[in-house]
Amino acid sequence: GAVVSQHPSRVICKSGTSVKIECRSLDFQATTMFWYRQFPKQSLMLMATSNEGSKATYEQGVEKDKFLINHASLTLSTLTVTSAHPEDSSFYICSAVRLASYNEQFFGPGTRLTVL
Amino acid sequence: GIQVEQSPPDLILQEGANSTLRCNFSDSVNNLQWFHQNPWGQLINLFYIPSGTKQNGRLSATTVATERYSLLYISSSQTTDSGVYFCAAEYGNKLVFGAGTILRVKS
Repeated sequence: GAVVSQHPSRVICKSGTSVKIECRSLDFQATTMFWYRQFPKQSLMLMATSNEGSKATYEQGVEKDKFLINHASLTLSTLTVTSAHPEDSSFYICSAVRLASYNEQFFGPGTRLTVL
Repeated sequence: GIQVEQSPPDLILQEGANSTLRCNFSDSVNNLQWFHQNPWGQLINLFYIPSGTKQNGRLSATTVATERYSLLYISSSQTTDSGVYFCAAEYGNKLVFGAGTILRVKS
């Protein structure tokens, strides 16, 4: 149990376009989902916390108008990178916390975004 | 905010050897998780361990919350153990990750 999927696994886009990444909890309901960003050979940095039915909470330094997060249901959160630029190229990883359980986070396989 | 430090940063082992990875955290935390990130980037949950000791096969972990550290033991290492090991401290409702330990197991 506790499987989290992400789609797409990798995406290449042109500068100025928008990209949507989906995060789904496949076999459980998630009260909270998190979005992280990981640069090559670096650790994970939390971007935002997403709660179903409410606005996301962004970490300091993360532009909420650039990284739009929607948590429409207890099994789906989406991250949209708007007007992407090459510096947005990174590995984006989501995680989910199971409803009514400990705060253990389960992670998706990640999405590698390359902006040309 | 809280600081999470991992050591060593890099480790090379011969297959069959044992190792200990350390995670220090600068403040009291609600919980501590250990992960293995495989070469494809997937984070695999190893332990959810606020205190005490847990074992899962060749892996075990110990967290001493009062002294603000956690240890991950890998015994009889295998080449498939290679990858990056992260500890992450739960602070508030967020996970703060250490910089990771890059482990390479040679056959």
